[in-house]
Amino acid sequence: DAGVIQSPRHEVTEMGQEVTLRCKPISGHDYLFWYRQTMMRGLELLIYFNNNVPIDDSGMPEDRFSAKMPNASFSTLKIQPSEPRDSAVYFCASSFTDRELFFGEGSRLTVL
Amino acid sequence: KQEVTQIPAALSVPEGENLVLNCSFTDSAIYNLQWFRQDPGKGLTSLLLIQSSQREQTSGRLNASLDKSSGRSTLYIAASQPGDSATYLCAVRQDTGFQKLVFGTGTRLLVSP
Repeated sequence: DAGVIQSPRHEVTEMGQEVTLRCKPISGHDYLFWYRQTMMRGLELLIYFNNNVPIDDSGMPEDRFSAKMPNASFSTLKIQPSEPRDSAVYFCASSFTDRELFFGEGSRLTVL
Repeated sequence: KQEVTQIPAALSVPEGENLVLNCSFTDSAIYNLQWFRQDPGKGLTSLLLIQSSQREQTSGRLNASLDKSSGRSTLYIAASQPGDSATYLCAVRQDTGFQKLVFGTGTRLLVSP
């Protein structure tokens, strides 16, 4: 398997623009997670899905953030409008039930 | 609220040394604990997963132990190599809401040749 695939790897945008991050989980995995990593706060769980259904979005910082999982092989994390404080590395991860969590390479977002 | 601490924050050792990384957690009601490594600019790579009923897991030169009652886990790396240089993170899954992993802040390891 190719592992968890994220795109884009790097994104530079201006404040106020819409940002869409994409993730393809490992085939057969039923859980998908979005994390954000910053130097100040470390790794933070934003939202996770089980069988394409959002289970817990309590980590989503505010209404500017939204996530969808239209099918088992694709998820998006959208920020609209983006702000400089959203600059971070965003990771997608997947697992099969309660087993090992596998991470993608991350999307590094810079909002100017 | 579960808190996970990793000490030291950074460690520098010469090649060939055996070393131990520590992970402490405040709530012992965990489902499992996972160790990861993260290379600069990369994602997290899973190293070992220990279920709450287990005491240790081994993979090659790595050995992870778990003492749930005392809220501790250690990652032992034998005969360290420069390629082991990375940040090591531990993460715990709670018994309830067990899909929410709580991560430590990591130990940055540098192995010098």
